[in-house]
Amino acid sequence: ETGVTQSPTHLIKTRGQQVTLRCSSQSGHNTVSWYQQALGQGPQFIFQYYREEENGRGNFPPRFSGLQFPNYSSELNVNALELDDSALYLCASSLGGDDYEQYFGPGTRLTVT
Amino acid sequence: GQSLEQPSEVTAVEGAIVQINCTYQTSGFYGLSWYQQHDGGAPTFLSYNGLDGLEETGRFSSFLSRSDSYGYLLLQELQMKDSASYFCAVRDNYGQNFVFGPGTRLSVLP
Repeated sequence: ETGVTQSPTHLIKTRGQQVTLRCSSQSGHNTVSWYQQALGQGPQFIFQYYREEENGRGNFPPRFSGLQFPNYSSELNVNALELDDSALYLCASSLGGDDYEQYFGPGTRLTVT
Repeated sequence: GQSLEQPSEVTAVEGAIVQINCTYQTSGFYGLSWYQQHDGGAPTFLSYNGLDGLEETGRFSSFLSRSDSYGYLLLQELQMKDSASYFCAVRDNYGQNFVFGPGTRLSVLP
């Protein structure tokens, strides 16, 4: 059984640029959720995709967007990067949109300068 | 809106028992989960309560009282490796949004 993987591990971008983060779900999982975690805080829910459709969204602006592909891998895109976007971005996969048990990837550390 | 409250820090010694409390306010409620996160690591699922009462998984137990909007995680026979941050999380807004608490940093001393 393959766990959740994310790429890249670390990324440095300049304010105003765009970034794409990638996530491969655990084998057999059809749901992926994305979170932003600032240092010393809990993960903040960005959105969830279930079978390629957005299934819920947190309080993030439209410049945060995502995709889920037929193989259930996923992307998080952030446009017009701001300094406050610097954080750890986590994806989590689960079996079904209402599954309470999520499996998290190791995260991508994004630094915006 | 949604909010969860947890103590920011808890310290205990090896072999002791510690309880981490979580109170929540949500527009809907679909269960309380607990996650553990070591420094530099990813959150890992520990426990879930959908109904009132106690759930036990090895050294860890979790409790929920929906009438009090309150739950706790109980860690027994503490080990050094239990030093980590612990987050409670709820599903609300018809189960589509996950809300994590601010986290409790547990330090286990020898």
